[in-house]
Amino acid sequence: DTAVSQTPKYLVTQMGNDKSIKCEQNLGHDTMYWYKQDSKKFLKIMFSYNNKELIINETVPNRFSPKSPDKAHLNLHINSLELGDSAVYFCASSTRDRGPEAFFGQGTRLTVV
Amino acid sequence: RKEVEQDPGPFNVPEGATVAFNCTYSNSASQSFFWYRQDCRKEPKLLMSVYSSGNEDGRFTAQLNRASQYISLLIRDSKLSDSATYLCVVSSPYNTDKLIFGTGTRLQVFP
Repeated sequence: DTAVSQTPKYLVTQMGNDKSIKCEQNLGHDTMYWYKQDSKKFLKIMFSYNNKELIINETVPNRFSPKSPDKAHLNLHINSLELGDSAVYFCASSTRDRGPEAFFGQGTRLTVV
Repeated sequence: RKEVEQDPGPFNVPEGATVAFNCTYSNSASQSFFWYRQDCRKEPKLLMSVYSSGNEDGRFTAQLNRASQYISLLIRDSKLSDSATYLCVVSSPYNTDKLIFGTGTRLQVFP
């Protein structure tokens, strides 16, 4: 009965490859997010979708493309992976009815070699 | 100046101790405040929201001082299981869906 689930949990890939991370939430929330946590443990928002509409797009290279097929799913596709993309990527969700407190998935540890 | 600033620690305290963490935020128009907890190699989890009147949840007490743009978390009677990183979180005044995280304060409770 996982609330926010991401796949895969670990991803090791070579520079230049394209990869996707999937996220699903069963909380009935209307807003979903992608966060990046770098090697210094700094957690920063990348994107946010509300009811499938993009509402936050921070300064992220356009190699990163989020897609929300419905309000329970938010995927992240990354093209032409670079060494600096190595990080932990967290999906999260929230509902505006309860305020901005977010519930996080377990994270995807991406390592680019 | 960082939007949310915390002392990274680590704070090393014995079991049973009381420990306090502080956090400052830069934008006085911020409206929502939280403390999250993150265990090693795990996702952040909401510990508690922070209200202007201050709030308590068991051994944990959170305070907000809007005038000084300062948030605190007090943990009483520390347990070994409290060892984690505590993240101070503030919502953006420009977009309340956007949470801004501090870099976290690491707590290590020893026997």
